[in-house]
Amino acid sequence: AQKITQTQPGMFVQEKEAVTLDCTYDTSDPSYGLFWYKQPSSGEMIFLIYQGSYDQQNATEGRYSLNFQKARKSANLVISASQLGDSAMYFCAMREAGRRETSGSRLTFGEGTQLTVNP
Amino acid sequence: NAGVTQTPKFRILKIGQSMTLQCTQDMNHNYMYWYRQDPGMGLKLIYYSVGAGITDKGEVPNGYNVSRSTTEDFPLRLELAAPSQTSVYFCASSYIRAYQPQHFGDGTRLSIL
Repeated sequence: AQKITQTQPGMFVQEKEAVTLDCTYDTSDPSYGLFWYKQPSSGEMIFLIYQGSYDQQNATEGRYSLNFQKARKSANLVISASQLGDSAMYFCAMREAGRRETSGSRLTFGEGTQLTVNP
Repeated sequence: NAGVTQTPKFRILKIGQSMTLQCTQDMNHNYMYWYRQDPGMGLKLIYYSVGAGITDKGEVPNGYNVSRSTTEDFPLRLELAAPSQTSVYFCASSYIRAYQPQHFGDGTRLSIL
């Protein structure tokens, strides 16, 4: 069974500093994808970054990077040079590639981390 | 590009009433999903569909029904609304490949009183 754990209910960071949001996962499927979504106070879900289980390099997308440690089953999101607009809830999610015809490649979400960027 | 469109954005229901949450996507995605998000929590899968005519239950399907008659539309039906169904409902869609993200609608905020 899939499981995503985000152990930080809330995080605070000063503007322009970097912050790491933790995510650990558990799956028996050797082929999977890890996603991070941002949910601002307005409520929409915004896709940030993706990491595949077979990807050799850590994913990067602008100020977002994913610190993927496969052996430790962790996929931490690093936000560099934090901005006030980064204040939001951040969700880690996993998608199994196997059995997609039956599982629908569903996403399993963690409980989220509320990030607050202070000026 | 419209992406995933959900209607309505807000709704208040009385206990025992029924309603349908609409979801349509214009990206020709095969897969569609309904999630609910309770306050301060992550998203939980209600139902999903891998194509027109094919639907299946997720983690929390009780009290809901779905249908998928076209690729574009995936409505969620609430029968006999209960206070426990007060939540924000998200519809999402994606292509088949696991590395492609799910695209979400803006959500429907539903209160059952």
